[in-house]
Amino acid sequence: NAGVMQNPRHLVRRRGQEARLRCSPMKGHSHVYWYRQLPEEGLKFMVYLQKENIIDESGMPKERFSAEFPKEGPSILRIQQVVRGDSAAYFCASSLMSGINSYEQYFGPGTRLTVT
Amino acid sequence: KNEVEQSPQNLTAQEGEFITINCSYSVGISALHWLQQHPGGGIVSLFMLSSGKKKHGRLIATINIQEKHSSLHITASHPRDSAVYICAVRRGGGTSYGKLTFGQGTILTVHP
Repeated sequence: NAGVMQNPRHLVRRRGQEARLRCSPMKGHSHVYWYRQLPEEGLKFMVYLQKENIIDESGMPKERFSAEFPKEGPSILRIQQVVRGDSAAYFCASSLMSGINSYEQYFGPGTRLTVT
Repeated sequence: KNEVEQSPQNLTAQEGEFITINCSYSVGISALHWLQQHPGGGIVSLFMLSSGKKKHGRLIATINIQEKHSSLHITASHPRDSAVYICAVRRGGGTSYGKLTFGQGTILTVHP
């Protein structure tokens, strides 16, 4: 059973370009979380999605960032017109279910975005 | 003040020593996670706790819900244990279920 997969592992973009980060959850998992780790800072929640729905996007920057989790295919975190401050490690995690009962979250290896 | 505080921020030990990392939180939670991250590496979930104590190999995690405190212990530490250890909490109830709030991490270095 493959774990959570993220690609690319490393991504270099020039300022103003778009970055697309992909996350394939573990088999059978329908809940996906995106977290960001800025240099020298801790992990911060960005967005929580279920298939075809955004459940909580309270951690997403108001502009340029969007996320989706379509019925088929991976979850995508999209950053438009990247700036140097977007350089960070972006981690995806998946879980079997959520809600009041707590379920284990499994993390992917992360995508390290560098904006030049 | 952060909702999740870890101590110490940095910890250096000699191989074989017993190690304790502490985590205090200020919100109601449904679960607490201990995570491990190697430099430049991914994140591995070590434990998820909602009460009591869990043990896996040389790692032990405990939680006291009333005191809002958790500890991660490593017995007979080894240089390969060198990593960042992160405490994260999942809030209890409401629409914030699922998402994790993280501590700043404890950088552990174990010397041979």
